[in-house]
Amino acid sequence: GEDVEQSLFLSVREGDSSVINCTYTDSSSTYLYWYKQEPGAGLQLLTYIFSNMDMKQDQRLTVLLNKKDKHLSLRIADTQTGDSAIYFCVRGRSGGSYIPTFGRGTSLIVHP
Amino acid sequence: EAQVTQNPRYLITVTGKKLTVTCSQNMNHEYMSWYRQDPGLGLRQIYYSMNVEVTDKGDVPEGYKVSRKEKRNFPLILESPSPNQTSLYFCASSPDRDNSPLHFGNGTRLTVT
Repeated sequence: GEDVEQSLFLSVREGDSSVINCTYTDSSSTYLYWYKQEPGAGLQLLTYIFSNMDMKQDQRLTVLLNKKDKHLSLRIADTQTGDSAIYFCVRGRSGGSYIPTFGRGTSLIVHP
Repeated sequence: EAQVTQNPRYLITVTGKKLTVTCSQNMNHEYMSWYRQDPGLGLRQIYYSMNVEVTDKGDVPEGYKVSRKEKRNFPLILESPSPNQTSLYFCASSPDRDNSPLHFGNGTRLTVT
């Protein structure tokens, strides 16, 4: 299996909450990140969480980390059409490796 | 404005014709890296550099070269491009070799015919 896995698509109605899930196998990283990629643009850092945290909240975004299950989730409250994008779960560089590991990305589609 | 600048944004070329994609950052970052993004595969790292004159292979380095003669610039060189190198390429930088978040350029869409 892949080191970082996430589902490829998520469709939600405007105003609902979106939850994007990610699982990983290597737990040695200090940081786990969520990046957002809008059409025709590069990736922008959305939020991140330290591996010693369980939860981080930033306005409409909530990140939950379950270290035991190696599961990371990103919840977007009150999802808007402007949130439509690809969201990447990324395991930070670790253990002497300077190569971060990206999930394949989840395409979030928000419809009215 | 702090940014990572890639050029060109779009490039169409033919098999075997050497090309260079430039990347420049104005944030005095030590760490720079190149990725390719292909449908269904996410981002894969090609090469990275931890500082001037220090470069190393990522996960998919075959067919690519890089150089880091100055801290701000990290060009990606395709000596003899092939159609399987048709992809969307991103350059990224971060302040240090550890887990600082990456700052990405806007991408270069390369087509090799």
